[in-house]
Amino acid sequence: EIVLTQSPGTLSLSPGERATLSCRASQSVSSSSLAWYQQKPGQAPRLLIYIASSRATGIPDRFSGSGSGTDFTLTISRLEPEDFAVYYCQQYGSSPYTFGQGTKLEIK
Amino acid sequence: QVQLQQWGAGLLKPSETLSLTCDVYGGSFSTYFCHWIRQPPGKGLEWIGDFTHSGITNYNPSLKSRVTISVNMSKKQLSLKMSSVTAADTAVYYCVIYNLDTVGMTDYWGQGTLVTVSS
Repeated sequence: EIVLTQSPGTLSLSPGERATLSCRASQSVSSSSLAWYQQKPGQAPRLLIYIASSRATGIPDRFSGSGSGTDFTLTISRLEPEDFAVYYCQQYGSSPYTFGQGTKLEIK
Repeated sequence: QVQLQQWGAGLLKPSETLSLTCDVYGGSFSTYFCHWIRQPPGKGLEWIGDFTHSGITNYNPSLKSRVTISVNMSKKQLSLKMSSVTAADTAVYYCVIYNLDTVGMTDYWGQGTLVTVSS
């Protein structure tokens, strides 16, 4: 089973700033099969990025993903108030499809 | 526009069987990737398993002996059964569909069902 470790656990930033979230895998993720999700309180998660760098349908271009192998990054170029939430990475290259523990992005 | 509507019992006793169904409205069900994911209260996400449109099911090995995922194409329903539940199975359960087309990948989530296991 691939273990995903996200850092930092909590990120405190202000609207307009740039956010960089990290996801590190315990072994190489096949075919860059890495996704990022956003979850707000009381809501289901929402897919942001798939195949490490492709934006899901309807996702604003301030969200971008990068990386390969074991190291992946989600970048939010300019934070909007609605971006403050918990973010999860998930690998779906090998079963079981595992999630990271999440990064909470909070308003500073 | 695809919508998912989940239904099933939300309160179970230990050793009972969890049974959830997800009705899929809209779209072409036969091309979807169908998954179940759960989230214990205040915790992170756990993948339970999936049903591919080639008819193959994959399960999380930690749950495999207790879980069955099935799809009824004619009724456009995705189902989850989990036997011998314990308090550790208390979570919000989501059905999720992923659709990949020429525009890109879109995900659709059910509203979530809080399943509580308590004697």
